[in-house]
Amino acid sequence: GAVVSQHPSWVICKSGTSVKIECRSLDFQATTMFWYRQFPKQSLMLMATSNEGSKATYEQGVEKDKFLINHASLTLSTLTVTSAHPEDSSFYICSAQGTYNSPLHFGNGTRLTVT
Amino acid sequence: KQEVTQIPAALSVPEGENLVLNCSFTDSAIYNLQWFRQDPGKGLTSLLLIQSSQREQTSGRLNASLDKSSGRSTLYIAASQPGDSATYLCAARPPNGQNFVFGPGTRLSVLP
Repeated sequence: GAVVSQHPSWVICKSGTSVKIECRSLDFQATTMFWYRQFPKQSLMLMATSNEGSKATYEQGVEKDKFLINHASLTLSTLTVTSAHPEDSSFYICSAQGTYNSPLHFGNGTRLTVT
Repeated sequence: KQEVTQIPAALSVPEGENLVLNCSFTDSAIYNLQWFRQDPGKGLTSLLLIQSSQREQTSGRLNASLDKSSGRSTLYIAASQPGDSATYLCAARPPNGQNFVFGPGTRLSVLP
């Protein structure tokens, strides 16, 4: 089946630093990738949608200058949390889709802790 | 605006039981609906995808049905096992290019 690799699986950083999270589709071309944030015992909160070669579309309330998303190729999207603060600590998950009617496949998530 | 709900929020059953998880959506105009499971601290694993023209999909002990007119989908798990313990989420995809709308999930515990 389709595989989405997300790296790193966990990261601890100091307040004020930036962290980059990678999301790769290993065996299919992902025209669209999605980035989510999940708080404990809650469902997924969509942060942004990215299509290869174009700017990401951010959901209302998500700061695009804080959460930089790049989708430079059909197999790679990155989320950079800039100037991280403790309130950015969360579980971030990416997903990827080939065509509009194909299944959505998820990475294993990244646990970010900002100290 | 599409809204997705799931009932029950949590379910605990003894091993071997057959069980049904429910997913409801407010707008019947969906493109497809997908079921996922999420283990603690992990991403989501795709279980079944049902296109709007389909009534059900099966994979092993799992069977998902879709009734667009009533805005419902069910996930049937046969002969449940402790390894089935996880949170199960459904997500509905609108037909107009908008993103999947996720339900809050059902947390399933299968007791040995």
